[in-house]
Amino acid sequence: QSALTQPASVSGSPGQSITISCTGTSSDVGGYNYVSWYQQHPGKAPKLMIYEVSNRPSGVPDRFSGSKSGNTASLTISGLQAEDEADYYCSSYTSSSTLVVFGGGTKLTVL
Amino acid sequence: QVQLVQSGAEVKKPGSSVKVSCKASGGTFSSYAISWVRQAPGQGLEWMGGIIPIFGTANYAQKFQGRVTITADESTSTAYMELSSLRSEDTAVYYCGAHLTGYFYDAFDIWGQGTMVTVSS
Repeated sequence: QSALTQPASVSGSPGQSITISCTGTSSDVGGYNYVSWYQQHPGKAPKLMIYEVSNRPSGVPDRFSGSKSGNTASLTISGLQAEDEADYYCSSYTSSSTLVVFGGGTKLTVL
Repeated sequence: QVQLVQSGAEVKKPGSSVKVSCKASGGTFSSYAISWVRQAPGQGLEWMGGIIPIFGTANYAQKFQGRVTITADESTSTAYMELSSLRSEDTAVYYCGAHLTGYFYDAFDIWGQGTMVTVSS
């Protein structure tokens, strides 16, 4: 069981927007602005898409955005494209001795 | 451009140990934090621990305390993760990841390609 809770799957049609939630506690997501999001295609390493809740690394399309409210962080992808189909993981710093926790992952299907 | 290149796939017997390497290039190795994350087949990501080479001390997830050892060799810009007392549940892809700000609380900016470790009798 993962420390952070994500929906197992979401889907959307090309051009639509989807949002993936990531729920934790005040000891992780709610307590720090160190939430990041990763995209993982099958058989590949994860790729950083969002860091520190809402910042995009260079090269990540502005269709990807992040936010946080209380203990829940969210990743929104607007203008869905076929290549966005992948697994998405959230991660957060945590005040426990295990410094980093991940969500269980969300499979995004582009219909 | 920082890159992380990991060692190749391993097949190990239950009860043995495995040591995976992660060689960095294109940046200042000592200033990063390097974490190890594993992913069992069909499962999610799990943080095992990490090290900041310039300090040399490692932090470990509670689940792996006593069974994992993470080290770094600044002279070769290489980090290592050794997992002992292997069992079938340790079969997974093991990734190294670099936090370029030097802090574990910050994101994994760069990932290695992954190393498949299979534990089987």
